[in-house]
Amino acid sequence: GQQLNQSPQSMFIQEGEDVSMNCTSSSIFNTWLWYKQDPGEGPVLLIALYKAGELTSNGRLTAQFGITRKDSFLNISASIPSDVGIYFCAGSIAGNNDMRFGAGTRLTVKP
Amino acid sequence: DGGITQSPKYLFRKEGQNVTLSCEQNLNHDAMYWYRQDPGQGLRLIYYSQIVNDFQKGDIAEGYSVSREKKESFPLTVTSAQKNPTAFYLCASKEGAWQPQHFGDGTRLSIL
Repeated sequence: GQQLNQSPQSMFIQEGEDVSMNCTSSSIFNTWLWYKQDPGEGPVLLIALYKAGELTSNGRLTAQFGITRKDSFLNISASIPSDVGIYFCAGSIAGNNDMRFGAGTRLTVKP
Repeated sequence: DGGITQSPKYLFRKEGQNVTLSCEQNLNHDAMYWYRQDPGQGLRLIYYSQIVNDFQKGDIAEGYSVSREKKESFPLTVTSAQKNPTAFYLCASKEGAWQPQHFGDGTRLSIL
């Protein structure tokens, strides 16, 4: 199946810094999703993207659906301690029954 | 509250034993999913169901079984044929085509 490459694998940043992470695919996707997972819990949806070139914000989070439809990025501005967790990208071709997930970016925010 | 409930939170399996993980949703979602999560890896799809009494294998269905007798329930059985069952199991559901999946809080399965 399609492979999603998510980078970086982990990030250690100071509180207040901006963060950027991205996902690339060998295949075209029609939907890109970004989730956050806290330890011992299920992933929570942050942003859903449905159109190439789409740029969507959710508070301090901004995500973009790449023009080629093979990539997406997530930015977090002015990070705070509660941003700590694992961020996953997910892509789908057909109606989100076939979602593929990246391996996650583990974010640590130092106060 | 509306949501997806997985139980138990922690489960232990003995050698040769089948265990069943529960997933219930009161969101009236048609589609439900089971994923397996291993450290440092993305989620991998085990089974999914789009309607009652119908389900499809995902990428790693071997050693697992499911049923969908009711819209709100999609239990997963980890059989003794699954030789490496230790993982975090996540259930998800979604409202309709092109809607994003939403997840329960997971069940952590370990071997005794």
